[in-house]
Amino acid sequence: GAVVSQHPSRVICKSGTSVKIECRSLDFQATTMFWYRQFPKQSLMLMATSNEGSKATYEQGVEKDKFLINHASLTLSTLTVTSAHPEDSSFYICSGTLRETQYFGPGTRLLVL
Amino acid sequence: GENVEQHPSTLSVQEGDSAVIKCTYSDSASNYFPWYKQELGKGPQLIIDIRSNVGEKKDQRIAVTLNKTAKHFSLHITETQPEDSAVYFCAATDDGSARQLTFGSGTQLTVLP
Repeated sequence: GAVVSQHPSRVICKSGTSVKIECRSLDFQATTMFWYRQFPKQSLMLMATSNEGSKATYEQGVEKDKFLINHASLTLSTLTVTSAHPEDSSFYICSGTLRETQYFGPGTRLLVL
Repeated sequence: GENVEQHPSTLSVQEGDSAVIKCTYSDSASNYFPWYKQELGKGPQLIIDIRSNVGEKKDQRIAVTLNKTAKHFSLHITETQPEDSAVYFCAATDDGSARQLTFGSGTQLTVLP
């Protein structure tokens, strides 16, 4: 149990375009979902906390207008990287919370050319 | 806020030997400590967790110990196997409602055959 999926697993886009990443909790309802980004050989950096039906809470330094988060249901949260630039290239990972435990998705590799 | 320090950053062991990874945390209010294993190109996978009302927890070859007084916790892997090779992250949380995790910097474990 407690499976989280992400789609797509990897995406390549041109600079200036927008990219949407989906995060789904497959077998549980996640009131809270988190979005992280991870650079090579580094730890996970929390970007935002997403609660179903309310606005996401962004960490300091994360541009809310650039990283749009929508948590429309208890099983789906989306992250849209708007006007992507090469520096946005990273590994994006979401997690869903079941009771006290965070279960992570497999990640999405974004490459912006 | 919480600060989690993890060491060593890299660890190489011979197959069959034990591996120990240590973490310290700063916030005495933290009460939940999960450990995640992350293989290359994948999302973190929960391998074991411990709550502050327990001093030790074991699951087959994996064990975690917690010393609340000293504010440190450790991951012990016995009889290591090549498939144990991965990056391991410790984490702590002191946020009861949102359960935001603060991660350690990670340990690259290599099990040599």
